Amino acid sequence: QQPVQSPQAVILREGEDAVINCSSSKALYSVHWYRQKHGEAPVFLMILLKGGEQMRHEKISASFNEKKQQSSLYLTASQLSYSGTYFCGTGGTSYGKLTFGQGTILTVHP
Amino acid sequence: GAVVSQHPSRVICKSGTSVKIECRSLDFQATTMFWYRQFPKQSLMLMATSNEGSKATYEQGVEKDKFLINHASLTLSTLTVTSAHPEDSSFYICSAPTGTRLTDTQYFGPGTRLTVL
Repeated sequence: QQPVQSPQAVILREGEDAVINCSSSKALYSVHWYRQKHGEAPVFLMILLKGGEQMRHEKISASFNEKKQQSSLYLTASQLSYSGTYFCGTGGTSYGKLTFGQGTILTVHP
Repeated sequence: GAVVSQHPSRVICKSGTSVKIECRSLDFQATTMFWYRQFPKQSLMLMATSNEGSKATYEQGVEKDKFLINHASLTLSTLTVTSAHPEDSSFYICSAPTGTRLTDTQYFGPGTRLTVL
Protein backbone atom coordinates (compact mmCIF):
# COMPACT_ATOMS: atom_id res chain seq x y z
CA GLN A 1 0.00 0.00 0.00
CA GLN A 2 1.29 3.42 -0.99
CA PRO A 3 2.58 5.62 1.86
CA VAL A 4 0.94 9.00 2.23
CA GLN A 5 3.02 12.16 2.03
CA SER A 6 2.03 15.55 3.37
CA PRO A 7 1.86 18.28 2.39
CA GLN A 8 1.31 17.76 -1.34
CA ALA A 9 3.10 20.99 -2.12
CA VAL A 10 4.99 23.69 -0.28
CA ILE A 11 6.35 27.05 -1.37
CA LEU A 12 9.25 28.64 0.47
CA ARG A 13 11.49 31.65 0.29
CA GLU A 14 15.19 31.00 0.35
CA GLY A 15 16.35 30.44 3.92
CA GLU A 16 13.02 29.17 5.24
CA ASP A 17 12.47 25.74 6.74
CA ALA A 18 10.04 22.98 5.76
CA VAL A 19 8.93 19.55 6.98
CA ILE A 20 7.64 16.76 4.76
CA ASN A 21 5.93 13.79 6.34
CA CYS A 22 5.56 10.21 5.14
CA SER A 23 3.09 7.85 6.81
CA SER A 24 2.38 4.20 6.21
CA SER A 25 -0.43 1.90 7.30
CA LYS A 26 1.97 -1.03 7.21
CA ALA A 27 4.97 -1.81 9.38
CA LEU A 28 8.10 -0.15 8.04
CA TYR A 29 11.54 -1.70 7.85
CA SER A 30 13.18 1.18 6.08
CA VAL A 31 12.39 4.59 4.64
CA HIS A 32 14.26 5.99 1.65
CA TRP A 33 14.08 9.63 0.66
CA TYR A 34 14.68 10.88 -2.87
CA ARG A 35 14.50 14.23 -4.66
CA GLN A 36 13.48 14.42 -8.29
CA LYS A 37 13.90 17.42 -10.57
CA HIS A 38 11.61 17.83 -13.54
CA GLY A 39 12.42 15.37 -16.31
CA GLU A 40 15.19 13.71 -14.35
CA ALA A 41 15.56 10.55 -12.34
CA PRO A 42 15.19 10.56 -8.55
CA VAL A 43 18.38 11.27 -6.62
CA PHE A 44 19.03 9.44 -3.39
CA LEU A 45 19.10 11.61 -0.25
CA MET A 46 19.15 9.22 2.68
CA ILE A 47 17.91 5.97 4.11
CA LEU A 48 16.57 5.37 7.62
CA LEU A 49 16.66 1.92 9.03
CA LYS A 50 15.74 1.88 12.67
CA GLY A 51 13.08 3.46 14.82
CA GLY A 52 14.20 6.84 16.06
CA GLU A 53 17.14 6.96 13.71
CA GLN A 54 18.03 10.35 12.31
CA MET A 55 20.14 10.97 9.29
CA ARG A 56 21.51 14.10 7.73
CA HIS A 57 22.46 15.14 4.19
CA GLU A 58 23.92 18.64 4.19
CA LYS A 59 21.16 20.78 5.72
CA ILE A 60 18.50 18.15 5.17
CA SER A 61 17.76 15.69 7.94
CA ALA A 62 15.19 13.00 8.54
CA SER A 63 13.73 10.98 11.36
CA PHE A 64 12.00 7.61 11.48
CA ASN A 65 9.36 6.81 14.09
CA GLU A 66 8.88 3.07 13.81
CA LYS A 67 5.99 2.92 16.27
CA LYS A 68 4.04 5.60 14.45
CA GLN A 69 5.07 4.10 11.11
CA GLN A 70 6.13 7.45 9.80
CA SER A 71 9.15 9.43 8.73
CA SER A 72 9.72 13.17 8.45
CA LEU A 73 12.15 15.06 6.24
CA TYR A 74 13.42 18.38 7.59
CA LEU A 75 14.78 20.99 5.19
CA THR A 76 16.64 23.73 7.03
CA ALA A 77 17.60 27.11 5.59
CA SER A 78 16.32 26.08 2.18
CA GLN A 79 18.30 26.86 -0.94
CA LEU A 80 17.09 27.34 -4.51
CA SER A 81 18.62 23.97 -5.37
CA TYR A 82 16.22 22.25 -2.98
CA SER A 83 13.34 22.78 -5.39
CA GLY A 84 11.92 19.56 -6.77
CA THR A 85 9.58 16.73 -5.88
CA TYR A 86 10.44 14.73 -2.79
CA PHE A 87 9.45 11.09 -2.58
CA CYS A 88 9.60 8.73 0.31
CA GLY A 89 9.99 5.06 -0.51
CA THR A 90 9.08 2.49 2.09
CA GLY A 91 10.72 -0.90 2.23
CA GLY A 92 9.27 -4.13 3.50
CA THR A 93 10.71 -7.58 3.73
CA SER A 94 11.00 -8.12 -0.01
CA TYR A 95 14.57 -7.33 -0.93
CA GLY A 96 14.92 -3.95 -2.55
CA LYS A 97 11.25 -3.40 -3.31
CA LEU A 98 10.18 0.12 -2.50
CA THR A 99 6.70 1.59 -2.51
CA PHE A 100 6.75 5.32 -3.15
CA GLY A 101 4.47 8.01 -1.82
CA GLN A 102 2.72 10.38 -4.17
CA GLY A 103 5.41 13.01 -3.78
CA THR A 104 5.67 16.51 -2.29
CA ILE A 105 6.44 19.39 -4.63
CA LEU A 106 8.82 21.86 -3.03
CA THR A 107 9.39 25.25 -4.63
CA VAL A 108 11.98 27.62 -3.26
CA HIS A 109 11.86 31.24 -4.43
CA PRO A 110 14.65 33.83 -4.12
CA GLY B 1 27.28 7.37 -5.30
CA ALA B 2 26.91 4.42 -7.62
CA VAL B 3 26.13 5.01 -11.30
CA VAL B 4 23.28 3.50 -13.26
CA SER B 5 22.83 4.33 -16.93
CA GLN B 6 19.89 3.92 -19.28
CA HIS B 7 19.69 3.93 -23.03
CA PRO B 8 18.08 5.51 -24.91
CA SER B 9 17.14 8.64 -22.99
CA ARG B 10 14.29 9.40 -25.36
CA VAL B 11 12.49 7.33 -27.95
CA ILE B 12 9.60 8.06 -30.25
CA CYS B 13 7.98 5.14 -32.03
CA LYS B 14 4.91 4.28 -34.04
CA SER B 15 2.03 2.38 -32.54
CA GLY B 16 2.49 -1.38 -32.88
CA THR B 17 6.27 -1.39 -32.82
CA SER B 18 8.52 -2.72 -30.07
CA VAL B 19 11.03 -0.68 -28.10
CA LYS B 20 13.97 -1.95 -26.06
CA ILE B 21 15.36 0.00 -23.10
CA GLU B 22 18.69 -0.90 -21.52
CA CYS B 23 19.69 -0.40 -17.90
CA ARG B 24 23.30 -0.81 -16.86
CA SER B 25 25.06 -0.62 -13.52
CA LEU B 26 28.39 0.97 -14.40
CA ASP B 27 30.52 0.56 -11.30
CA PHE B 28 28.89 -2.29 -9.42
CA GLN B 29 27.18 -5.58 -10.05
CA ALA B 30 23.46 -5.93 -9.54
CA THR B 31 21.79 -9.31 -9.25
CA THR B 32 18.51 -7.48 -8.98
CA MET B 33 17.24 -4.42 -10.79
CA PHE B 34 13.85 -2.76 -10.69
CA TRP B 35 11.77 -1.19 -13.44
CA TYR B 36 9.44 1.71 -12.66
CA ARG B 37 7.00 3.69 -14.74
CA GLN B 38 6.11 7.28 -14.00
CA PHE B 39 3.29 9.21 -15.64
CA PRO B 40 3.39 13.02 -15.61
CA LYS B 41 3.08 14.51 -12.15
CA GLN B 42 2.60 11.10 -10.60
CA SER B 43 4.63 8.83 -8.39
CA LEU B 44 6.96 6.03 -9.39
CA MET B 45 5.09 2.79 -9.84
CA LEU B 46 7.06 -0.44 -9.63
CA MET B 47 6.46 -2.60 -12.69
CA ALA B 48 8.74 -5.55 -12.14
CA THR B 49 11.80 -6.96 -10.44
CA SER B 50 14.52 -8.11 -12.78
CA ASN B 51 16.57 -11.05 -11.51
CA GLU B 52 19.87 -12.08 -13.06
CA GLY B 53 19.65 -15.61 -14.37
CA SER B 54 15.99 -16.12 -13.65
CA LYS B 55 12.55 -14.87 -14.61
CA ALA B 56 11.40 -11.41 -13.73
CA THR B 57 8.74 -10.89 -11.11
CA TYR B 58 5.90 -8.64 -12.21
CA GLU B 59 3.68 -6.47 -10.06
CA GLN B 60 -0.06 -7.00 -10.10
CA GLY B 61 -1.66 -5.53 -13.18
CA VAL B 62 1.51 -5.44 -15.28
CA GLU B 63 1.32 -7.59 -18.41
CA LYS B 64 4.37 -9.80 -18.56
CA ASP B 65 3.88 -10.55 -22.25
CA LYS B 66 3.81 -6.87 -23.06
CA PHE B 67 6.76 -5.79 -20.94
CA LEU B 68 9.51 -8.32 -21.52
CA ILE B 69 12.42 -8.20 -19.11
CA ASN B 70 15.76 -9.89 -19.57
CA HIS B 71 18.56 -9.69 -17.02
CA ALA B 72 21.37 -10.92 -19.22
CA SER B 73 24.30 -10.23 -16.91
CA LEU B 74 25.17 -8.78 -13.53
CA THR B 75 25.34 -5.30 -15.05
CA LEU B 76 22.58 -5.28 -17.67
CA SER B 77 18.80 -5.53 -17.63
CA THR B 78 16.58 -4.78 -20.61
CA LEU B 79 12.92 -3.87 -20.81
CA THR B 80 11.16 -4.41 -24.13
CA VAL B 81 7.80 -2.79 -24.64
CA THR B 82 6.13 -4.97 -27.26
CA SER B 83 3.42 -3.73 -29.60
CA ALA B 84 3.55 -0.31 -28.02
CA HIS B 85 0.42 1.86 -27.94
CA PRO B 86 -0.04 5.54 -27.08
CA GLU B 87 -1.12 4.64 -23.53
CA ASP B 88 2.34 3.12 -23.00
CA SER B 89 3.88 6.56 -23.37
CA SER B 90 5.58 7.28 -20.08
CA PHE B 91 8.87 7.83 -18.28
CA TYR B 92 10.53 4.47 -17.61
CA ILE B 93 13.18 4.36 -14.90
CA CYS B 94 15.32 1.51 -13.68
CA SER B 95 17.04 1.22 -10.34
CA ALA B 96 19.59 -1.07 -8.80
CA PRO B 97 20.61 -1.69 -5.21
CA THR B 98 24.33 -1.68 -4.58
CA GLY B 99 24.37 -4.88 -2.56
CA THR B 100 22.36 -7.82 -1.36
CA ARG B 101 21.35 -6.52 2.03
CA LEU B 102 17.80 -5.45 2.63
CA THR B 103 19.04 -2.03 3.54
CA ASP B 104 21.33 -1.27 0.64
CA THR B 105 20.78 2.00 -1.20
CA GLN B 106 19.04 1.95 -4.55
CA TYR B 107 20.32 4.18 -7.31
CA PHE B 108 18.18 5.21 -10.24
CA GLY B 109 19.09 5.47 -13.87
CA PRO B 110 18.41 8.75 -15.71
CA GLY B 111 15.18 7.41 -17.20
CA THR B 112 13.84 6.85 -20.70
CA ARG B 113 11.01 8.94 -22.03
CA LEU B 114 8.89 6.86 -24.39
CA THR B 115 6.44 8.51 -26.75
CA VAL B 116 4.21 6.27 -28.84
CA LEU B 117 2.51 7.98 -31.76
